[in-house]
Amino acid sequence: QVQLVQSGAEVKKPGASVKVSCKASHYTFTAYYMHWVRQAPGQGLEWMGIINPSSGSTNYAQKFQGRVTMTRDTSTSTVYMELISLRSEDTAVYYCARAQSGYDYSPFDYWGQGTLVTASS
Amino acid sequence: EIVMTQSPATLSVSPGERATLSCRASQSVSNNLAWYQQKPGQAPRVLIYGASTRATGIPARFSGSGSGTEFTLTISSLQSEDFAVYYCQHYNNWLTFGGGTKVEIK
Repeated sequence: QVQLVQSGAEVKKPGASVKVSCKASHYTFTAYYMHWVRQAPGQGLEWMGIINPSSGSTNYAQKFQGRVTMTRDTSTSTVYMELISLRSEDTAVYYCARAQSGYDYSPFDYWGQGTLVTASS
Repeated sequence: EIVMTQSPATLSVSPGERATLSCRASQSVSNNLAWYQQKPGQAPRVLIYGASTRATGIPARFSGSGSGTEFTLTISSLQSEDFAVYYCQHYNNWLTFGGGTKVEIK
């Protein structure tokens, strides 16, 4: 059974950075692209970007360019999402989600449980 | 960037009735369109991809149609577990979500 297990909730002050992890199991980690999506309280889903776990190459939504970095560790089958210069508007649940086929932009078949990041003074 | 617009924002439906949700793309996304269901406190789950293909384990009462810029998700006979928020997503060489439609009990 494919699993994506994310790190726990974080509380950060505005201006700080946060790094969320997503550990994959029960499938070939390098064979499927991984995406990050966030959801502010009571709001919709917002796509942040994509990482190729095989090569490490990334593409980020324009809104997050310069503030987000996605990386991976193939030895532990883990992807990471770091967001810097946090503002109150970054308070959200952050999800990792696996693209269902070998293609980069394809539907998401498995999601992590979500990580609540709170940016507050 | 392709903008996905969902309507209505809220749909009030009685159990057993039919629900029709719409999603419009600002430019053609071919059939690269998926629908997700999200319940409170849970991650979304995929219902439909390729505009009309049901994902594994999704009941037949869920159906999708459309191509290009206009798409529809139909729930033929609403069950209690179907009251949730539904999102469309295009994945045509990039990716964006619609704003969502909340299906609530009438």
